[in-house]
Amino acid sequence: GAVVSQHPSWVICKSGTSVKIECRSLDFQATTMFWYRQFPKQSLMLMATSNEGSKATYEQGVEKDKFLINHASLTLSTLTVTSAHPEDSSFYICSAPSGGLNNSPLHFGNGTRLTVT
Amino acid sequence: DAKTTQPPSMDCAEGRAANLPCNHSTISGNEYVYWYRQIHSQGPQYIIHGLKNNETNEMASLIITEDRKSSTLILPHATLRDTAVYYCIASNYGGSQGNLIFGKGTKLSVKP
Repeated sequence: GAVVSQHPSWVICKSGTSVKIECRSLDFQATTMFWYRQFPKQSLMLMATSNEGSKATYEQGVEKDKFLINHASLTLSTLTVTSAHPEDSSFYICSAPSGGLNNSPLHFGNGTRLTVT
Repeated sequence: DAKTTQPPSMDCAEGRAANLPCNHSTISGNEYVYWYRQIHSQGPQYIIHGLKNNETNEMASLIITEDRKSSTLILPHATLRDTAVYYCIASNYGGSQGNLIFGKGTKLSVKP
């Protein structure tokens, strides 16, 4: 089955520093990838859509200058949390559709637990 | 996407079938029903999806009522590793658009 790999699985950083999270589609190409965020005891919320070769689109309320997304190849998207603050501590999850059909399901990475101290 | 309603929690004995219901009474004709699950501290895992017909794969079966207003996910022989939050989502662009609306889901606890 389709596999999405996410790295790192967890990271602790100091306030004010930047953190990069990688998302790779291992056995398929993904022109589009999606970044979600999940706070404790809450459900997943879509943050942004990463498009290969073009700018990402962000959901309302998500700062594009704070959450930088780069989708440089058909198998890799990165999310950089810039100048991280404790309120950015969350579980970040990427996903990608594996099939060419509009109804193809999403496959998710195992998430990155970010803790900002 | 149509709203879905699921019970907040369910228990199931290990080895028995787990039947997870989902109501989607406002589902439109081109919306599929998707099921995902999220084991604690992991990313969601795709389980199965369907439009009108019942579907079965190696993980589960999906039973959709004829009027498509509700569905049931069946795990035929639940194991402890099936303990997770199960999400039922109605969407006509389940994968390509990405904006799957994850509600609160059903927390399934499989007990020995």
